[in-house]
Amino acid sequence: NAGVTQTPKFRVLKTGQSMTLLCAQDMNHEYMYWYRQDPGMGLRLIHYSVGEGTTAKGEVPDGYNVSRLKKQNFLLGLESAAPSQTSVYFCASSPTGTGSYEQYFGPGTRLTVT
Amino acid sequence: AQRVTQPEKLLSVFKGAPVELKCNYSYSGSPELFWYVQYSRQRLQLLLRHISRESIKGFTADLNKGETSFHLKKPFAQEEDSAMYYCALSGSGSARQLTFGSGTQLTVLP
Repeated sequence: NAGVTQTPKFRVLKTGQSMTLLCAQDMNHEYMYWYRQDPGMGLRLIHYSVGEGTTAKGEVPDGYNVSRLKKQNFLLGLESAAPSQTSVYFCASSPTGTGSYEQYFGPGTRLTVT
Repeated sequence: AQRVTQPEKLLSVFKGAPVELKCNYSYSGSPELFWYVQYSRQRLQLLLRHISRESIKGFTADLNKGETSFHLKKPFAQEEDSAMYYCALSGSGSARQLTFGSGTQLTVLP
């Protein structure tokens, strides 16, 4: 099992450019999440999904869009990148059922917007 | 609203000394509390959860509802414990969304 994978690992964008970050998981998890990690601020939830075809906003959704067309994939899009979106982005997944709240994280994508 | 506070950004201790990483939370219901750890060049991973009342790698954490705290403790720190530690809370969200603290970078000195 690869667990949670993220593509790409690094990316540099110019202001106004667009891009899509891909998250894939092979654990058959229903729940998936996108976080951003900034120094001194911990991880903040951008968007999440409770299943294929569903998405919802998290704490800091502005400037991002997501899609979950397949259960194993969760895409994060930046339509018009801004320097404030320079961050490390983490994807995570979690199973449903009682008693198991652990989230499994991907390795992260380091994005720089100039 | 739920909130997690980790007051120490940086914490340094010597090998063999006790270590305590502080975590306080704000939540009106019954929260689930977790500690996640990120070692250098590795992904974030679960260290322990309060509901399990377990000890992992010598670390323990007790949920104190009166003080709304979930401090992480280890009696004898090891150099391999050096990492970034995040306290996290899961409240009433339908997808078990986590609210993270800002993290504490622990350095264990030789």
